[in-house]
Amino acid sequence: EPEVTQTPSHQVTQMGQEVILRCVPISNHLYFYWYRQILGQKVEFLVSFYNNEISEKSEIFDDQFSVERPDGSNFTLKIRSTKLEDSAMYFCASLGGGTGELFFGEGSRLTVL
Amino acid sequence: AQSVAQPEDQVNVAEGNPLTVKCTYSVSGNPYLFWYVQYPNRGLQFLLKYITGDNLVKGSYGFEAEFNKSQTSFHLKKPSALVSDSALYFCAVSPAIGGGFKTIFGAGTRLFVKA
Repeated sequence: EPEVTQTPSHQVTQMGQEVILRCVPISNHLYFYWYRQILGQKVEFLVSFYNNEISEKSEIFDDQFSVERPDGSNFTLKIRSTKLEDSAMYFCASLGGGTGELFFGEGSRLTVL
Repeated sequence: AQSVAQPEDQVNVAEGNPLTVKCTYSVSGNPYLFWYVQYPNRGLQFLLKYITGDNLVKGSYGFEAEFNKSQTSFHLKKPSALVSDSALYFCAVSPAIGGGFKTIFGAGTRLFVKA
């Protein structure tokens, strides 16, 4: 069964450092998302991406965040200068269109020290 | 603006008993409603969805959910709980099917099924 894969599974970084989280969505999907979850609690929407541009973003997704799909397969989330409060589990999801349900990766745990 | 409420942080039920996890929503237009499950240290997995049609929808692992438009609710149910159903359950709403439209999740309800 096709799946969304995310790397790394866990990253520890110092405050102020740049972090890139990578995702490989399901190959024929067209819509891509990043969500984050802090301490196993609420799942918060960050950004949606379609046709190589951002469709929608939340207030959390400020200038420190960016997304891109550089090579037609990887979908990346970059945090330019990490803060302590960026520590969370980050989930990538993709959507095939017309079905509605999101397919999630297993997540990348980011710890900012 | 769309929103989802899950009024219970935790639901405890004995194995073999029926379970209900509650969800209410607020969305303009026709709602597209979903339930997802999350096991420890895993991503979210789709359980079931309501788009249109029959108010009772069936999903994975014997779960079902009932859409009630007048009460704006979409409660998750299972006739007989299993210990293995213990997990974190998220109700979600989307304003439309398809990409570019964000799916918003409730705060989650932790289900404990006791043997």
